[in-house]
Amino acid sequence: DAGITQSPRHKVTETGTPVTLRCHQTENHRYMYWYRQDPGHGLRLIHYSYGVKDTDKGEVSDGYSVSRSKTEDFLLTLESATSSQTSVYFCAILREGPMNTEAFFGQGTRLTVV
Amino acid sequence: AQSVTQPDIHITVSEGASLELRCNYSYGATPYLFWYVQSPGQGLQLLLKYFSGDTLVQGIKGFEAEFKRSQSSFNLRKPSVHWSDAAEYFCAVAPGGYNKLIFGAGTRLAVHP
Repeated sequence: DAGITQSPRHKVTETGTPVTLRCHQTENHRYMYWYRQDPGHGLRLIHYSYGVKDTDKGEVSDGYSVSRSKTEDFLLTLESATSSQTSVYFCAILREGPMNTEAFFGQGTRLTVV
Repeated sequence: AQSVTQPDIHITVSEGASLELRCNYSYGATPYLFWYVQSPGQGLQLLLKYFSGDTLVQGIKGFEAEFKRSQSSFNLRKPSVHWSDAAEYFCAVAPGGYNKLIFGAGTRLAVHP
């Protein structure tokens, strides 16, 4: 357990509404990631962060924005949710160490856009 | 294009049989390589990883993987599968560092008694 908490764990929202998912870590790691998981696609990187206010796009960033105003929190926002954004979202952190670097994942947020 | 390929979407094996899950990548330099396992409704757990050195790496739960540079492969193996190994397995690569961890599409493993 790397102290990662995702909230909410489940959410149903309507098309066109804004949605924000939160990832909280307790260990002050530099790197944080947002992925979405869909059948047949594995996990695809949406956005990642390498420090406070330092973020970059991943493979599937269209329709998503992120913010990191504090080391411990990484927020993913869907400005106007669409049905194609129905997915399971995973947050991850990178615990860095000499030859012992490892990514740890949260339990996921299941988002349904109706 | 840069990618991670897991050719087998589903694999079924009998309990006690050996297992090999394939993973190929198409990045120019040798990236960091990982295998993760995901049980139904759960998050991801790291099985093993390769950074450099010995090309045969041992992981948790009796798994091992072999890095073959000439084939751009990092296949996962287990000599004797247990029913509790039924899960989805993901190969992942970090090309040029950790700024991006890229996953394959996954292989779903079913284990018959």
